[in-house]
Amino acid sequence: GQNIDQPTEMTATEGAIVQINCTYQTSGFNGLFWYQQHAGEAPTFLSYNVLDGLEEKGRFSSFLSRSKGYSYLLLKELQMKDSASYLCAVPTNAGKSTFGDGTTLTVKP
Amino acid sequence: GAGVSQSPSNKVTEKGKDVELRCDPISGHTALYWYRQSLGQGLEFLIYFQGNSAPDKSGLPSDRFSAERTGGSVSTLTIQRTQQEDSAVYLCASSLGGPNEKLFFGSGTQLSVL
Repeated sequence: GQNIDQPTEMTATEGAIVQINCTYQTSGFNGLFWYQQHAGEAPTFLSYNVLDGLEEKGRFSSFLSRSKGYSYLLLKELQMKDSASYLCAVPTNAGKSTFGDGTTLTVKP
Repeated sequence: GAGVSQSPSNKVTEKGKDVELRCDPISGHTALYWYRQSLGQGLEFLIYFQGNSAPDKSGLPSDRFSAERTGGSVSTLTIQRTQQEDSAVYLCASSLGGPNEKLFFGSGTQLSVL
């Protein structure tokens, strides 16, 4: 089965950098997704990692270590609009994604 | 359509009534998923359709829940004899299929059981 752990809540200051961690246990690894979900809205795709290392995409970067079962999402130059929940998800071989409970990030002025 | 479409956006029903929730996925997407999200919680997997394969129903919480997908496109999630604990946002997503394909979500149906 799949097991995913993320911190429940985080708070950071506008303009700062924040790292949101995700640890996972899975019977077969097929990559790891990060999604962003603003309050009252549907989740939207942020990143996908299948190889070890850091993937950078503008202010957002995602890191993966398969040997450690660990990923993080790095948000730089935080903006108020980055306040949202960040969901870590791992798919099975068949493509079914299991989601973590999400990390609610609050960005303060 | 351009995205995943769900209807209704809101549904209020009385305990014991049946409800049907509809999802229209992105054209060409072979995979369709239903998730449930209670307030402040993560996404709970319900059911997954992939092409012509038998659906993965392992997440359905009870036999009151069922879903079908007609013609490999539109899907309907049916909840019979609704209970108050069924109140949640029901999210549908679709993808091109395969483990490396990202999910596109609809805006969800907010179900309230009184």
